[in-house]
Amino acid sequence: AQSVTQPDIHITVSEGASLELRCNYSYGATPYLFWYVQSPGQGLQLLLKYFSGDTLVQGIKGFEAEFKRSQSSFNLRKPSVHWSDAAEYFCAVGGVGGSYIPTFGRGTSLIVHP
Amino acid sequence: DAGITQSPRYKITETGRQVTLMCHQTWSHSYMFWYRQDLGHGLRLIYYSAAADITDKGEVPDGYVVSRSKTENFPLTLESATRSQTSVYFCASTRDTYNEQFFGPGTRLTVL
Repeated sequence: AQSVTQPDIHITVSEGASLELRCNYSYGATPYLFWYVQSPGQGLQLLLKYFSGDTLVQGIKGFEAEFKRSQSSFNLRKPSVHWSDAAEYFCAVGGVGGSYIPTFGRGTSLIVHP
Repeated sequence: DAGITQSPRYKITETGRQVTLMCHQTWSHSYMFWYRQDLGHGLRLIYYSAAADITDKGEVPDGYVVSRSKTENFPLTLESATRSQTSVYFCASTRDTYNEQFFGPGTRLTVL
């Protein structure tokens, strides 16, 4: 079965600093890859997704992610973090073996210091 | 309004009571899901459904029942609530295998 690993449970950055959240997956073929954000008290919202093509994907709120097949990674980045980016971030893998049930990572909590 | 809604948003109940959490989506998505979110456990899949009248168990189905008589509704019932079912519950839907899930705002359930 596929798995998704987000190795960082918490990450703390200063406002204006760059950000990279890590995501690794285990699956032989290229799955569909997603990043979601969950603000406090809310449901998850899609930031971006990768299916095929250009391995650098642009998303909402200034986020981007890069798919690296050789590393089975799909890391999320943002060049300059804003205080409003403080949230929980989830990486997910879908479409494995034709299944419509995605696998989510455990999430990374982003703390932004002023 | 279009989208996916959950009700109630907050619920406090007592051990042993039956509770039903509602989920409604307006996109006519075929696939719907129920998750629970607990600190340290991330999102755990309770039940899912591929279409009306088709449901299946996820990772943590014990103590829960679902039904899906209409495409747009996917209620989750706790038949006899226990304290361990205190959690935040999220409903989600998706159009197909290749697309993202859309999540409701969640229901925070407390079982006393």
